[in-house]
Amino acid sequence: AQTIHQWPVAEIKAVGSPLSLGCTIKGKSSPNLYWYWQATGGTLQQLFYSITVGQVESVVQLNLSASRPKDDQFILSTEKLLLSHSGFYLCAWSLDRSAETLYFGSGTRLTVL
Amino acid sequence: GDSVTQTEGLVTLTEGLPVMLNCTYQSTYSPFLFWYVQHLNEAPKLLLKSFTDNKRPEHQGFHATLHKSSSSFHLQKSSAQLSDSALYYCALSVQGTGSKLSFGKGAKLTVSP
Repeated sequence: AQTIHQWPVAEIKAVGSPLSLGCTIKGKSSPNLYWYWQATGGTLQQLFYSITVGQVESVVQLNLSASRPKDDQFILSTEKLLLSHSGFYLCAWSLDRSAETLYFGSGTRLTVL
Repeated sequence: GDSVTQTEGLVTLTEGLPVMLNCTYQSTYSPFLFWYVQHLNEAPKLLLKSFTDNKRPEHQGFHATLHKSSSSFHLQKSSAQLSDSALYYCALSVQGTGSKLSFGKGAKLTVSP
């Protein structure tokens, strides 16, 4: 069975500080990987997606970056957090490229103060 | 571009009454439509996905029918349960893009005794 693990579960960070969020998928080779962001009370906004190792496409510019250093790992980061970065970050994977059923991780709750 | 519209932001129902959440879409191509459900403090999970052969998907008592003539994929259930209280997102994916699932703004369903 496939599992998706996100870390950390929650973070409280200061404005201007760096951030690194991680996501690991086990039991599935070469998945499509995604980062989504959900502001409090807001919808799910896709931030990045990756089809293969070393390749990441940006969907929305939010002063964030993403990398895929391994087939099963997806990292979201920034060097300087903004207040507007607060929210719920979700990693997801899919394998069905024709219909994109997404399987989400449990998410990271980020509070920027 | 491709987009999904959910008109109800908040829906409050009494247990036992029927549920209907609206979803309409705009797409240049023939899309796949999805319903995702997100319970409080949990990650979104797939509830239903449209079929290419026009079968009506059903899960946990919920069903939805893709009507191409009206560009709709409304979510229905004959009798609401307390455990149905959650956020419901309609989403769209275009076959072959392999990378983007567009979500609606979501509808918060609250079922009371």
